[in-house]
Amino acid sequence: QVQLQESGPGLVKPSETLSLTCTVSGGSISSYYWSWIRQPPGKGLEWIGYIYYSGSTIYNPSLKSRLTISVDTSRNQFSLRLSSVTAADTAVYYCAREAQYYFDCWGQGTLVTVSS
Amino acid sequence: DIQMTQSPSSLSASVGDRVTITCRASQSISSYLNWYQQKPGKVPKVLIYAASSLQSGVPSRFSGSGSGTDFTLTISSLQPDDFATYYCQQSYSTPRTFGPGTKVDIK
Repeated sequence: QVQLQESGPGLVKPSETLSLTCTVSGGSISSYYWSWIRQPPGKGLEWIGYIYYSGSTIYNPSLKSRLTISVDTSRNQFSLRLSSVTAADTAVYYCAREAQYYFDCWGQGTLVTVSS
Repeated sequence: DIQMTQSPSSLSASVGDRVTITCRASQSISSYLNWYQQKPGKVPKVLIYAASSLQSGVPSRFSGSGSGTDFTLTISSLQPDDFATYYCQQSYSTPRTFGPGTKVDIK
């Protein structure tokens, strides 16, 4: 049973960089697309982007200029970096696996608050 | 980007009711449409993938239909555990996009 777990700071200052890591356990990160998805409090879901285990990425154009997603296959991890954050980036951030064109496994989510 | 809309945005229903939620895509997405259930404070869970395929372990009272631009999620007999928010999501192209959600609560 594949499990995903997000980790990283829960509080980030405005204009700084949000960094999160997702650790995949119970299975290999090789194969599949690995996504980041976020949900502002009380709002809907927004896909941030994904990475293939080979390192190829596709980002949401709305975030592309501030976004980097990377993968470390030796550690079975992938990571998110979002620069120049504002209060609008406050959200629960989920990592998820996309298999057969749907998100079948999700992390528990981590709340990141942008505030000084 | 492909825009996803859902109707209604919320509904009130009773246990045992048949519930139908509609999702529409701004362009044809073939059958690349998934449905998720999310309860407050919980992680979204896939119910239906590829428009009409039931995810393993999901009760058979959930069903999906449609192709192209118009899709439907049906709960044949609403159960207490089904009160939640439901999202559709397209995987036809990137960026992946979700509908705004339909909140199902108790009448």
